[in-house]
Amino acid sequence: EAGVVQSPRYKIIEKKQPVAFWCNPISGHNTLYWYLQNLGQGPELLIRYENEEAVDDSQLPKDRFSAERLKGVDSTLKIQPAELGDSAVYLCASSVGLAGVHEQYFGPGTRLTVT
Amino acid sequence: AQTVTQSQPEMSVQEAETVTLSCTYDTSENNYYLFWYKQPPSRQMILVIRQEAYKQQNATENRFSVNFQKAAKSFSLKISDSQLGDTAMYFCAFSEAGNMLTFGGGTRLMVKP
Repeated sequence: EAGVVQSPRYKIIEKKQPVAFWCNPISGHNTLYWYLQNLGQGPELLIRYENEEAVDDSQLPKDRFSAERLKGVDSTLKIQPAELGDSAVYLCASSVGLAGVHEQYFGPGTRLTVT
Repeated sequence: AQTVTQSQPEMSVQEAETVTLSCTYDTSENNYYLFWYKQPPSRQMILVIRQEAYKQQNATENRFSVNFQKAAKSFSLKISDSQLGDTAMYFCAFSEAGNMLTFGGGTRLMVKP
């Protein structure tokens, strides 16, 4: 069984430029998560999808961040414009159902460097 | 809001020895789930072990076991017979059913040959 796929693995951009991250969850996983992980810290939830619906996006900085999950499968997270403080690892995870009840499977992440 | 605290930023252990990683959490809920995740240098997070709060018996997975103290809100991870491949960041995490995972700040474990 293929795991959670993320691309790109690494991205370097200049500040004020846009950037997008892509995630393909495990087949059959209805719930998809985007996390932000700063260096040396634990992941923090940005947004959670149940199928194509964003059910928890309270931590997403909506002035510059946006996300979508078309057809309830793949998801894209976008930052426009990027700031220096956005440098971090962006993790995608998926699960069969309810968070906590069901195991979350994580992708390898995208390491973003904003210069 | 729930908080998860890992008080040991770094730990080291000799190969084949036993090490215990600490985690405390704060919640007013009675039913919840606790997890330990491992994040090797390759960065992919892997679930190590999971505990349901309503279960009194401590969870075990091969060399990994937990000491769950509900009244004290403590959830420590014991790694027995440590192996070089256990070198990683370890994150304690908390979740109410149907809610998001809240992670601690992590403990960097180094297993020395």
